[in-house]
Amino acid sequence: QVQLVQSGAEVKTPGASAKVSCKASGYSFNVYYIHWMRQAPGQGLEWMGWIVPNNGGTKYAQKFEGRVTMTRDTSINTAYMELSRLSADDAAVYYCARGILLSGFGAFDLWGQGTAVTVSS
Amino acid sequence: DIQMTQSPSSLSASVGDRVTITCRASQSVTSKLNWYQQKPGKAPNLLIYGASSLQRGVPTRFSGSGSGTFFTLTITSLQSEDFATYYCQQSFSLPRTFGQGTKVEMK
Repeated sequence: QVQLVQSGAEVKTPGASAKVSCKASGYSFNVYYIHWMRQAPGQGLEWMGWIVPNNGGTKYAQKFEGRVTMTRDTSINTAYMELSRLSADDAAVYYCARGILLSGFGAFDLWGQGTAVTVSS
Repeated sequence: DIQMTQSPSSLSASVGDRVTITCRASQSVTSKLNWYQQKPGKAPNLLIYGASSLQRGVPTRFSGSGSGTFFTLTITSLQSEDFATYYCQQSFSLPRTFGQGTKVEMK
């Protein structure tokens, strides 16, 4: 079954880091970019960046530069997103998604189920 | 960054209605525009890519059109399972950006 399965919910204190995993199955992990998005409660979707599983290359949204790190472990088909120096504004559901080219157009065609990150003292 | 603006932010409709949602980009994104449906507590689901191409498995009552800076998503005969929030997203440049969403509610 083609799917992305994310790690479970996390509760963090301000200033801590959160690390979310995203395990791919049913397709060739190395072939497709993994993107990370987040969605604050009642809000829209915000793109955070991508990782290229084949070579580990990354591109981050400027807003998160210096605070986000995306990595992968190809031996277990898993991508990771770590966000440091958490504040209340980082409380959100974090999603990984597969980036695909469909007739030359980029889109996110497969999503993880989401991981809720709560930031509370 | 390219700003994506959807309208309306919400709408009320009945089963069988024709529904149209618009999405405007702050600069041209050519045809690099996608539409997603999201239901409460669930991840988004790709409906339309390249402004007008239907993703595999998506019902044909969904259609997209437009290019440049103006796009529309149309649901020709709204079904009960279509009550959800819809997002447009541009894949023309980085950072990828989404509209703020349009919530389709039952009248």
